[in-house]
Amino acid sequence: EAQVTQNPRYLITVTGKKLTVTCSQNMNHEYMSWYRQDPGLGLRQIYYSMNVEVTDKGDVPEGYKVSRKEKRNFPLILESPSPNQTSLYFCASSRTPGLAGGQVYEQYFGPGTRLTVT
Amino acid sequence: AQSVTQLDSHVSVSEGTPVLLRCNYSSSYSPSLFWYVQHPNKGLQLLLKYTSAATLVKGINGFEAEFKKSETSFHLTKPSAHMSDAAEYFCVVSDQVDTGRRALTFGSGTRLQVQP
Repeated sequence: EAQVTQNPRYLITVTGKKLTVTCSQNMNHEYMSWYRQDPGLGLRQIYYSMNVEVTDKGDVPEGYKVSRKEKRNFPLILESPSPNQTSLYFCASSRTPGLAGGQVYEQYFGPGTRLTVT
Repeated sequence: AQSVTQLDSHVSVSEGTPVLLRCNYSSSYSPSLFWYVQHPNKGLQLLLKYTSAATLVKGINGFEAEFKKSETSFHLTKPSAHMSDAAEYFCVVSDQVDTGRRALTFGSGTRLQVQP
């Protein structure tokens, strides 16, 4: 079954304790992305990756890190979490369209990770 | 810069009546537009997408949306609501910049309630 998986699904942690949320997809997608969802704000992009070893900042990258060492995995790292990072996080993947007017592909989303930082 | 405005944060309808969820967008380029649905405690699922082909787009579960360039709108409709349609709906615009970035800009969401 084609899917995006995230772990853990729920996490409660304390300020400053490093954590990693894993994301994995089995569709051989080049493009992967992380979003956070907050009430009234929709989803906002944190980081994205066009392919292995290629990552770039989204709209709200502060306080987050990512890596893309393998095509299927795209972990999100919070080196020193703070309460304002309490949120619902989604990983997504898609095929990468061509540049300048290429096909736009839908993104497939994981089930989400609810993070609480106290 | 692109943006998306969902005009209603909550919509309540009776089962069997029509659904209208409104979305306006702005984009510097020819936009691609999507509607996603999120059921409670679930991830997002694509309902339908517009990518410069037919302006009336049909999606899953009986939903459809019409792209109106003159009105910069992409409203989502369904002729007859079902209880299982109760969820949050997101209108999304994707730009087509030369860098190839496929950033999606999400609206703030519309929560649809369906009354029996």
